[in-house]
This record gives sequence, C-alpha cells and structure tokens, in this order.
Amino acid sequence: AQSVTQLDSQVPVFEEAPVELRCNYSSSVSVYLFWYVQYPNQGLQLLLKYLSGSTLVKGINGFEAEFNKSQTSFHLRKPSVHISDTAEYFCAVSAGAGNNRKLIWGLGTSLAVNP
Amino acid sequence: DAGVTQSPTHLIKTRGQQVTLRCSPKSGHDTVSWYQQALGQGPQFIFQYYEEEERQRGNFPDRFSGHQFPNYSSELNVNALLLGDSALYLCASSPGRNGRGGNEQFFGPGTRLTVL
Repeated sequence: AQSVTQLDSQVPVFEEAPVELRCNYSSSVSVYLFWYVQYPNQGLQLLLKYLSGSTLVKGINGFEAEFNKSQTSFHLRKPSVHISDTAEYFCAVSAGAGNNRKLIWGLGTSLAVNP
Repeated sequence: DAGVTQSPTHLIKTRGQQVTLRCSPKSGHDTVSWYQQALGQGPQFIFQYYEEEERQRGNFPDRFSGHQFPNYSSELNVNALLLGDSALYLCASSPGRNGRGGNEQFFGPGTRLTVL
C-alpha cells in the first residue's frame, strides 16, 4: 500500500535561515509528487509538483524540491525563509493506475519562522 | 476568476443533525473532490464527483453523501452527525477525469464544522 511520511511534525527556524522539510513515500508504481502549503485558517495551495522530467522542481515563493527515486524522497527546501513562510506544509503522493490513482497525504509539517 | 469557493465558512451543529456544505469549482474545472481535515491532521479523501456521478470514494461511511450539479458545483451532505465529524471540510476542483493523478487540485478555503 502507498504511504507518505513527513519526518518532522514541527520545524522551528530563524528568519533568513535555510530550511528542509522531509518527505518519504512508499509506492510500487509510478508516482506524482506534490507539496502544498496551508496558511492559518485557509485552504491548501500548491507549492510545486513533480510529474516527470527534471528531478529538481522549482515552485512558488522560492521553494524547490528534489525527487530522489532511489531514496523514495521528495524533500522541500528553501535557502532563506521569511516570517511569512510560517504555515503547515503537506506532502502528497498520487499513485496507482488510471482512474484508480489515489492522492495520499502526509500528516503535515508545521514550519515556524522566528525573528 | 474567483477560484474555488465554499459556503458556509463556519457551521455549528449538534449531534444527530444533518448538514449540507457547498462548493463551486474553479472556472473550467469539471471534477470536484471533497476532503475532511481534522485538527492537526492531513486531508482525508471523502469522494470525487465527475459528470454528476460519484467516481471514487474514500473510507467514509454512508452518512457522507454528495451531489454534483450540471454546472459542476457540488454539495457534501453528512447525516446523523457525530462529535468526531468536527473538522475542516475542503473542496478541491481539477480539470479532467483523472483529477487525482497528475492534474493539480485547486482547493477552496474550507468550511469549519463544529459538532456539539
């Protein structure tokens, strides 16, 4: 069965520091990978996605992620965070064949950027 | 383009009552998915509608039902509410049949349901 593990439930970091939010998945079939951000009291917004091609994916707000098939990982990175990046971040994996594809979600990582 | 809209924003109900939540998809999108997000948890897939029919369903009881209208808007109905149904209910729309695959899902702001 497919699953998504976000290795850190909370990540505190100081403003302008680099950050990495970790995501590992398990799947025996080809996958599409997503990172979503959820600001307080809001819905989910897509940060970036990997469908195919280059394993380094650049998203909005200066975030990027690298798909590592051998490590089954899709870690999210930003070289310098801002206070406004404080939010909940969700990794999601779409796996399965045809119309049986499912979107599986991690439990989320709470990023707290401190001044 | 207003994006995905949901109503109401907040709702308070008591156990045993019924509730209806509404969603209007992003312009040009014909597939609507519903998710339940409990506090501190990731979204849990409830079901997906396409061409006015439920196409896929997550692990939710029959108390959860839905509908999609010809204009692609959708409703989520929950009967016999339980305390555990308290959550943020998210609607997401996407273009195309296989919206849960490579197509990006666009989320609404959600409806916060509190069951007392």
